[in-house]
Amino acid sequence: SQELEQSPQSLIVQEGKNLTINCTSSKTLYGLYWYKQKYGEGLIFLMMLQKGGEEKSHEKITAKLDEKKQQSSLHITASQPSHAGIYLCGARSITGTASKLTFGTGTRLQVTL
Amino acid sequence: DTEVTQTPKHLVMGMTNKKSLKCEQHMGHRAMYWYKQKAKKPPELMFVYSYEKLSINESVPSRFSPECPNSSLLNLHLHALQPEDSALYLCASSRPGQGGEQFFGPGTRLTVL
Repeated sequence: SQELEQSPQSLIVQEGKNLTINCTSSKTLYGLYWYKQKYGEGLIFLMMLQKGGEEKSHEKITAKLDEKKQQSSLHITASQPSHAGIYLCGARSITGTASKLTFGTGTRLQVTL
Repeated sequence: DTEVTQTPKHLVMGMTNKKSLKCEQHMGHRAMYWYKQKAKKPPELMFVYSYEKLSINESVPSRFSPECPNSSLLNLHLHALQPEDSALYLCASSRPGQGGEQFFGPGTRLTVL
């Protein structure tokens, strides 16, 4: 089964600072998703990466999938309190007509004023 | 409408009770999912329905019984649960197969006494 390890486990940054979260897979990634979760709430979709070397940006968040498709990073520029939450990477696998997501261990981000 | 709704938001039940969780989406998605999330852990897949048929059952105990009465609705029937089943239950939907992202509902916080 596929395992995803995220680092760091938790992160405290000062507002305005940049940060990077990493997601490393035990197997080749065929679809990598990044989600954000506020405590006890649903997951908010951030980005999806499929091709090796792919990079996507939305507002101040950039995600990359490395060429070998076994590692992804999420970079936040000039962090804000609204970025606080739990960041989860998810690997997609296909079974017949259904797909499933296996999530990483999560990274808890706090942004201080 | 890009929303997945879940009811109830909170549920407290005894081990002998029978209750149901409800999930609804009107995005025309033909794949729907149930995930279970324990505190400080990532979501874990329980069931996947594709075109209203059960496609994946991740060896979930029979005290959890999913049902997909139509393409917009997904239920999770609960019976004779154990205290360790207390968790956040998340529903999600997506296009089936190699579709796009999974859209998540806000979850139902279940407590089993």
